[in-house]
Amino acid sequence: DQQVKQNSPSLSVQEGRISILNCDYTNSMFDYFLWYKKYPAEGPTFLISISSIKDKNEDGRFTVFLNKSAKHLSLHIVPSQPGDSAVYFCAANAGGTSYGKLTFGQGTILTVHP
Amino acid sequence: NAGVTQTPKFQVLKTGQSMTLQCAQDMNHNSMYWYRQDPGMGLRLIYYSASEGTTDKGEVPNGYNVSRLNKREFSLRLESAAPSQTSVYFCASSEHPQARLGSPLHFGNGTRLTVT
Repeated sequence: DQQVKQNSPSLSVQEGRISILNCDYTNSMFDYFLWYKKYPAEGPTFLISISSIKDKNEDGRFTVFLNKSAKHLSLHIVPSQPGDSAVYFCAANAGGTSYGKLTFGQGTILTVHP
Repeated sequence: NAGVTQTPKFQVLKTGQSMTLQCAQDMNHNSMYWYRQDPGMGLRLIYYSASEGTTDKGEVPNGYNVSRLNKREFSLRLESAAPSQTSVYFCASSEHPQARLGSPLHFGNGTRLTVT
């Protein structure tokens, strides 16, 4: 049972435009969410996170929105750049004794065209 | 600053062979993790070590064992490899065991394992 789902396997965007990557979750115990970016032949790198007590967190060109009632989060990249082309994973943590255990989505391949 | 280092980068095993994947971090982190990544599945947690001297099972521990050798090193052992263990394996570390403390995971570059 996939508790974190990224339903779009891929997304193609023109340079300078907005990229919106979506993520849905089913486990209501999740209370901390993260986005990771992964380039080929490298490990995932942390991008941005959000606690369930917030509905928005912004870091430069990256903004994560959380809609708890819909169990949905999204990552906005504005403006998109060719160097943003990568696989993006959303991940969730349930706290308590779950420690640093993260549940990952399947990933979305973002391609930003010049 | 190396971060998280994994060896080897690539490995091919025959069914039934054993091997150990090595991982070391130089960030003085307390917690370490082993994940596997399979197509269409995202990353799944195999084992983790919240602190030196402790280890615990994750989502998919069957067929694996781990050793937290010291604060820096966390190894993953396949005792009798099976084709279902063909995957990319990532080691990660974090300063705190709880992600909500603003302590994201730092990943190594992975080991690509093929079991024939």
